[in-house]
Amino acid sequence: GENVEQHPSTLSVQEGDSAVIKCTYSDSASNYFPWYKQELGKRPQLIIDIRSNVGEKKDQRIAVTLNKTAKHFSLHITETQPEDSAVYFCAASRGSGGYNKLIFGAGTRLAVHP
Amino acid sequence: EAQVTQNPRYLITVTGKKLTVTCSQNMNHEYMSWYRQDPGLGLRQIYYSMNVEVTDKGDVPEGYKVSRKEKRNFPLILESPSPNQTSLYFCASSSPRSPHNEQFFGPGTRLTVL
Repeated sequence: GENVEQHPSTLSVQEGDSAVIKCTYSDSASNYFPWYKQELGKRPQLIIDIRSNVGEKKDQRIAVTLNKTAKHFSLHITETQPEDSAVYFCAASRGSGGYNKLIFGAGTRLAVHP
Repeated sequence: EAQVTQNPRYLITVTGKKLTVTCSQNMNHEYMSWYRQDPGLGLRQIYYSMNVEVTDKGDVPEGYKVSRKEKRNFPLILESPSPNQTSLYFCASSSPRSPHNEQFFGPGTRLTVL
């Protein structure tokens, strides 16, 4: 079945450094790739997403890149801050119209140390 | 305020004692889902509903039931809970009209089955 693998499972960086989280997916028909952030004790919230017709999308300090040929996508956080500490989930689905099931990765726990 | 609510937020119960976790959304969303979150496994879909009286199994439906009698409500029922259902549960809603297909998550229900 469809599968999304996410690496690393934990990531520790110093404040100001960059952080990169990588995901690979198995369903070649997937064309929508969101990233969710879950702060401690809170619900997951969408922070950025990308569709298959673009290779990169940026929003301030976060960016997502997509390589459809290799079936992988990555989240990049620059100039990390302590408030970036959270669990990040990648996901993949087949589209944005109608109901499209999201397949989530296992999550990456990011710790940003002051 | 647009939101998804769940009750209860915390529940400790014993094996075999039927329980229901309620979920309600006030955004008039067609789609609703239940997920469970376990360490190292990410978010796995239990059941989903595309509209009133339309429900279907997700990836891990065994031991769970759902119903969708009203658009705003999507309760999760555990007829005979077992310890392996100890987990963090999230309800989510979304709409085909959403430009980002964003899933809005509830605050979560932490269930412990003894």
